[in-house]
Amino acid sequence: QLQLQESGPGLVKPSETLSLTCTVSGGSVSNTSHYWGWIRQPPGRGLEWIGNIDYSGGTYYNASLKSRISMSVDTSKSHFSLKVSSVTAADTALYYCARLGYCSGGTCYVAPIDSWGQGTLVTVSS
Amino acid sequence: DIQMTQSPSTLSASVGDRVTITCRASQTISTWLAWYQRKPGKAPQLLIYKASSLESGVPSRFSGSGSGTEFALTISSLQPDDSATYYCQQYNSPSITFGQGTRLEIK
Repeated sequence: QLQLQESGPGLVKPSETLSLTCTVSGGSVSNTSHYWGWIRQPPGRGLEWIGNIDYSGGTYYNASLKSRISMSVDTSKSHFSLKVSSVTAADTALYYCARLGYCSGGTCYVAPIDSWGQGTLVTVSS
Repeated sequence: DIQMTQSPSTLSASVGDRVTITCRASQTISTWLAWYQRKPGKAPQLLIYKASSLESGVPSRFSGSGSGTEFALTISSLQPDDSATYYCQQYNSPSITFGQGTRLEIK
């Protein structure tokens, strides 16, 4: 069974870059059938999809965040990563990594999310 | 993006009650809808997928219905363990979106 675990700094200063890693166990991040992604939840607000990445590094980002985010996959370390640049207090949130879908025949599809990390709280503050 | 609107935002009910949460999509999503339960300090848990299919291991008191733009999650007989926040999510579009959540409290 897939297990995902987020890691990264819990405190980031305004204007700096937030960096998180999601380590995958019980499966391979390079498995061509998995479609990975990030979701966040600001305090007191709902869940917000950030973006997706496939085994080859192909990405699909939330348009509202696209200019500030980047994702990558490191198959040698069995993890994938998220970077959010120029952060503000509005980026304070509980960040989750998850398997957001599957890939087949070179195309990736979102699907019900059955594997989530436990979430990591990131606070943006000076 | 497809907007998902849940109602009510909070709900208080007694053990044994039948409870329904609704979710409306801003455009048709066929049955590409999932429901999740989220408890404090835990990741969301998938309850229902494809609008009405029960995820393995989820109690049968949970059920989902609907298609197009109108959906519902029903708990047939509320249990104390059901106290949580519930979210709907559409996956008709690669830009997945969630409802704002319904907080369910047990009286």
